[in-house]
Amino acid sequence: EAGVTQFPSHSVIEKGQTVTLRCDPISGHDNLYWYRRVMGKEIKFLLHFVKESKQDESGMPNNRFLAERTGGTYSTLKVQPAELEDSGVYFCASSQDSRTTQYFGPGTRLLVL
Amino acid sequence: AQTVTQSQPEMSVQEAETVTLSCTYDTSESDYYLFWYKQPPSRQMILVIRQEAYKQQNATENRFSVNFQKAAKSFSLKISDSQLGDAAMYFCAYRGFNNDMRFGAGTRLTVKP
Repeated sequence: EAGVTQFPSHSVIEKGQTVTLRCDPISGHDNLYWYRRVMGKEIKFLLHFVKESKQDESGMPNNRFLAERTGGTYSTLKVQPAELEDSGVYFCASSQDSRTTQYFGPGTRLLVL
Repeated sequence: AQTVTQSQPEMSVQEAETVTLSCTYDTSESDYYLFWYKQPPSRQMILVIRQEAYKQQNATENRFSVNFQKAAKSFSLKISDSQLGDAAMYFCAYRGFNNDMRFGAGTRLTVKP
């Protein structure tokens, strides 16, 4: 069974540009989460989808970040316009229901220059 | 808000020896889950072990075991008979009532041959 996949694995963009990250959860997992790890710091929660609905988006840093999950399958996280402090590793995770184990993807390393 | 603290940014262990990684957390909840995740270099994060707070018995998975001290809010990970493949970044995580995960900053474990 395929695990959580994320695309791209790496992205280098300039300040002010737009980047879109994609996450494909494990098939059948209704719950999808986005996290971010800024260099050397803890992994922080961004938001949680249940199917296509945003269950909790309390961790989203500001309105430059937009997450979608149309159709309740894959999700995208768009950063527009990107700022230097957005650099980090963006992780996606999925779980069958909200109480079960979350399985993580490999992450997308974003570098904003 | 719940916080998770990993006080050891780096640890090293000799192959075949035992190492303990520390984790403490702060919460006012009585029912929650604790996790240790492992992220090998350039690979995705995988679950090592999980503990339900209502269970007094410490979780064990082969060479990995935890020392869960609920009153002290401590959740350390013991790795016995360390192997080269155990080298990774280890993250302690907490999941409470609202189901989003709180992570520590991570401990980088080096295994010396």
